[in-house]
Amino acid sequence: EVQLVESGGGLVQPGGSLRLSCAASGFTFSSYSMNWVRQAPGKGLEWVSYMSSSSSTIYYADSVKGRFTISRDNAKNSLYLQMNSLRAEDTAVYYCTRGVSDAFGYWGQGTLVTVSS
Amino acid sequence: DIQMTQSPSSLSASVGDRVTITCRASQSINSYLNWYQQKPGKAPKLLIYAASSLQSGVPSRFSGSGSGTDFTLTISSLQAEDFATYYCQQSYNTPWTFGQGTKVEIK
Repeated sequence: EVQLVESGGGLVQPGGSLRLSCAASGFTFSSYSMNWVRQAPGKGLEWVSYMSSSSSTIYYADSVKGRFTISRDNAKNSLYLQMNSLRAEDTAVYYCTRGVSDAFGYWGQGTLVTVSS
Repeated sequence: DIQMTQSPSSLSASVGDRVTITCRASQSINSYLNWYQQKPGKAPKLLIYAASSLQSGVPSRFSGSGSGTDFTLTISSLQAEDFATYYCQQSYNTPWTFGQGTKVEIK
């Protein structure tokens, strides 16, 4: 069974940093590209970042480019999102997702990031 | 960026009703269109990918159609567990974008 478990969320002040982790199991992690998708409270879904299986290709949404860094450790079956210079508008539940065809096929339970003073 | 527009934003329906949700892309996306269901407090769940392919384990009452710019998600006979918010999403190019969502409520 595919499982994705996010961690690392919490309350952080504006301008602060946070590192999210996603532990994957139930599939060959090194064979799949991965994404982060977020959802602000009461709002819709927003794609954040993509990393290919080999880490060779990375994409970011314009809203986080230059502030967020996606990475992965295939030996540890883990995906990460380093978030710097956080803003109030980054407040959201962050989901780790694995692809199915070109869709976000599997989702973790999400981790809440709150940016507030 | 490709804009995705869903209609309606919300609808009220009864168990057993046939429900149709539409999604329009701001430019052609071929068949790179996916549909998700989200229940309150839960992660989204993939229902349909590539416009019309049913994700494994999803009931056959869900179906998708369309190509180019206009797409449809149909629930042939609404069940109690189908009351949720539905999102379309284009995977044609980055940034991958979602529709604003359609909330299906009980009449």
